[in-house]
Amino acid sequence: GENVEQHPSTLSVQEGDSAVIKCTYSDSASNYFPWYKQELGKRPQLIIDIRSNVGEKKDQRIAVTLNKTAKHFSLHITETQPEDSAVYFCAAPRRALTFGSGTRLQVQP
Amino acid sequence: DVKVTQSSRYLVKRTGEKVFLECVQDMDHENMFWYRQDPGLGLRLIYFSYDVKMKEKGDIPEGYSVSREKKERFSLILESASTNQTSMYLCASSFTGVRNQPQHFGDGTRLSIL
Repeated sequence: GENVEQHPSTLSVQEGDSAVIKCTYSDSASNYFPWYKQELGKRPQLIIDIRSNVGEKKDQRIAVTLNKTAKHFSLHITETQPEDSAVYFCAAPRRALTFGSGTRLQVQP
Repeated sequence: DVKVTQSSRYLVKRTGEKVFLECVQDMDHENMFWYRQDPGLGLRLIYFSYDVKMKEKGDIPEGYSVSREKKERFSLILESASTNQTSMYLCASSFTGVRNQPQHFGDGTRLSIL
C-alpha cells in the first residue's frame, strides 16, 4: 500500500505568498524526513531534512515541521519567488527511503 | 561535492532487448539505488544495494535485475525490455544507512522502448 502520501499534487500561488505541502507516513519507527526539489529537466536535489528528535527546522525561506503523533510532516515556503517553481518530493524511511508522488508548485509573477 | 554519473541521458531500445543502465558515484558511498520516475507516480524504488554484491528488491523489481561488482558502480538491467518500461530512470547514492541519510541523484536516463 501507499506508505507516503503527499498533497496537493499541484499548487499555484502568487509571488510573495506562502506555500505548504504536506506528507503523511505510516511507519511509526521512521526517523528521517527529507524534502527534494526537482526543476524541469534536472535531478532531484535535497533542500531540507529533519530528524525525529526535533519538531521544526528552518533554512531561510523554507521550513519543515514534523508531527510524530499524527505521522505527518510539512514543507513551508514563505515569500515565494518564480524560481521556487518546481516539483517537490517528500520522503520517509521504509526499508529504504520511500518518496511521495510529488507536488508541482507554480509561482505566478 | 558528490557526483553521481549515469552513462546515458537518452536511450532508445527495442522490445525484447537486454538493456543495461550504468551508474557511478565518486564519494565512496555504501548505498546505491535505482528509481523510475513517471508522471503522477513520483519516484518508485526498483532495487537498492547497501554493499558490494549485496542487493535488495524495492517496490517494483519485476522485469529488472541489478549488479554491483564494485562499490562505485551500480547497474540496472532490463532482462527483456518491454514498452511499459519506457520511463525516466534515476540512480542515487548515500552514505551508510539506507533509511536515514540524504540521497544524491544522477541526472537520469530517459529510456524509450519501441
